[in-house]
Amino acid sequence: SQKIEQNSEALNIQEGKTATLTCNYTNYSPAYLQWYRQDPGRGPVFLLLIRENEKEKRKERLKVTFDTTLKQSLFHITASQPADSATYLCALGNTGFQKLVFGTGTRLLVSP
Amino acid sequence: GAVVSQHPSRVICKSGTSVKIECRSLDFQATTMFWYRQFPKKSLMLMATSNEGSKATYEQGVEKDKFLINHASLTLSTLTVTSAHPEDSSFYICSARDEGALYGYTFGSGTRLTVV
Repeated sequence: SQKIEQNSEALNIQEGKTATLTCNYTNYSPAYLQWYRQDPGRGPVFLLLIRENEKEKRKERLKVTFDTTLKQSLFHITASQPADSATYLCALGNTGFQKLVFGTGTRLLVSP
Repeated sequence: GAVVSQHPSRVICKSGTSVKIECRSLDFQATTMFWYRQFPKKSLMLMATSNEGSKATYEQGVEKDKFLINHASLTLSTLTVTSAHPEDSSFYICSARDEGALYGYTFGSGTRLTVV
């Protein structure tokens, strides 16, 4: 069955450092992968989308890589700030923008 | 950008009663909407895909008679939890597909349902 795994343990880093979150998947061939941010008691907020034929995508302090051979995506936040503290979810989808399948999420804590 | 409004944000109901949750796309038309359920510190689990003008498609293991979905217009989908029980207590989130957006999905802010 399809499985999408993210680090279940919280990631604690110091302000200013780069946070790197991992998303691994099995039994799936996604057309694209998305990263979302979710704050407690709120719905997910879209951050970045990367397609299967793309290796890397950047947006301001965010960078996403996608390795379809390793079946893995890495999500980087550079110069992290306490305001970046949240849970980050990866989600996989197929062509046609049908349903998304979400990973387990990783909680990021950035200390001042 | 695209906005999805979900209402109510919190609801407490008694066991055996029904609760309706609304999901509205405010500035775009959504032929497809999705309903998710999220348990504490867990990921989003897709419950069903709601299609305007037709029956919803439920994921395996989701009781369609318990979780009634209606998508009567291009801007509104509703989820009704019927005969609610304490185990139905959860965080419910809707998502609407915005065909004009780069990524296609916008999420509501969620509804915290507590059944007592």
